[in-house]
Amino acid sequence: AQKVTQAQTEISVVEKEDVTLDCVYETRDTTYYLFWYKQPPSGELVFLIRRNSFDEQNEISGRYSWNFQKSTSSFNFTITASQVVDSAVYFCALKEYSGGYQKVTFGTGTKLQVIP
Amino acid sequence: DTGVSQDPRHKITKRGQNVTFRCDPISEHNRLYWYRQTLGQGPEFLTYFQNEAQLEKSRLLSDRFSAERPKGSFSTLEIQRTEQGDSAMYLCASTWDLSSGANVLTFGAGSRLTVL
Repeated sequence: AQKVTQAQTEISVVEKEDVTLDCVYETRDTTYYLFWYKQPPSGELVFLIRRNSFDEQNEISGRYSWNFQKSTSSFNFTITASQVVDSAVYFCALKEYSGGYQKVTFGTGTKLQVIP
Repeated sequence: DTGVSQDPRHKITKRGQNVTFRCDPISEHNRLYWYRQTLGQGPEFLTYFQNEAQLEKSRLLSDRFSAERPKGSFSTLEIQRTEQGDSAMYLCASTWDLSSGANVLTFGAGSRLTVL
């Protein structure tokens, strides 16, 4: 079973539009961490945010915001007023307590293209 | 701190040849991870080290694959008798012990392998 599902394979938006990237996860653990990473065309995965399962507060960082809802097992990522530099592949990931927090499991990614 | 370095960045080889990738992690990090990423997919866990000890290997890591971290610093990933299905991006990441939960993986830019 896929532990992290990113149903949107590719999204295209026009610059300055808002865009939300969906992430649904599956775990039996009550303690876990969720992450978002950005992978620009250069290839290097860049860490964006970490959220533990006990902290359901939404977070905003500049144009980025994250909505964590345990009830629906979702951890969605919104970019406000998108820019061309936001074009990249975005990965949602899960780290579970039952795995001893030893591994991070990634979703298949959402490719975002921001058109000028 | 120069981040995680991987070498070579690109490797083109003929089927049946052996290839070796090197990863230099962030010097303070005791954990080193190898992931594989194929086109349109998220990174998939291959193996990880704590210092020089290889603690876990994925079933994705066939007998043709071997990884080492001889002195607990840099690591090598060797693929023997390469097959076309080995074509992928091989990502290295490092961190402090992930079991603290909060620690995140820092990734290198990856080594892209093309098997002809």
